[in-house]
Amino acid sequence: RKEVEQDPGPFNVPEGATVAFNCTYSNSASQSFFWYRQDCRKEPKLLMSVYSSGNEDGRFTAQLNRASQYISLLIRDSKLSDSATYLCVVSLNYGGSQGNLIFGKGTKLSVKP
Amino acid sequence: EADIYQTPRYLVIGTGKKITLECSQTMGHDKMYWYQQDPGMELHLIHYSYGVNSTEKGDLSSESTVSRIRTEHFPLTLESARPSHTSQYLCASSEYGTGWRNTEAFFGQGTRLTVV
Repeated sequence: RKEVEQDPGPFNVPEGATVAFNCTYSNSASQSFFWYRQDCRKEPKLLMSVYSSGNEDGRFTAQLNRASQYISLLIRDSKLSDSATYLCVVSLNYGGSQGNLIFGKGTKLSVKP
Repeated sequence: EADIYQTPRYLVIGTGKKITLECSQTMGHDKMYWYQQDPGMELHLIHYSYGVNSTEKGDLSSESTVSRIRTEHFPLTLESARPSHTSQYLCASSEYGTGWRNTEAFFGQGTRLTVV
């Protein structure tokens, strides 16, 4: 079983739609959670960190459910510029030290006019 | 914009050649990483470093080697390139945050390597 699994995608949505991405992680020792965005043939960039209480940044809302080992990203009022691949990222806690970032395969979003 | 740079951006090279992919960052980050990513696939960590003179192998076995003689520089070397090494190589860096919480990783633009 992969350590980080995401919806396979691609998601093809019209402008203005609300879209939700899901992600599950296998290791309960995971401590840090992120969503990164990767445009076609570009490097990944941090979209937002995910906090236990959930957090929002404009049109983007991230949720974490530790009991179910589940992370979600909600995008409201989709824009054409949101078209990209969204990567779910987790890291483990090794005895109080930072673990390395583990990337999911990503979910491709295509927003159409 | 992140201050992390990779050269070359694109490299086409013959089998058996030795190559070094360069990565430099000017943010003073202690932690640096090399990831390998095939088209449409996930990133795989192949090497990382906690600081000068520290190098560790990542989750994906790789025939490449790395060195960290200076904080800002983390080159990756392939002694004898093969077609199976064809891929995109992404370098990243991050601060070494306090406690267990990870900090943001900044990526370079990547090197697309083709071995013919």
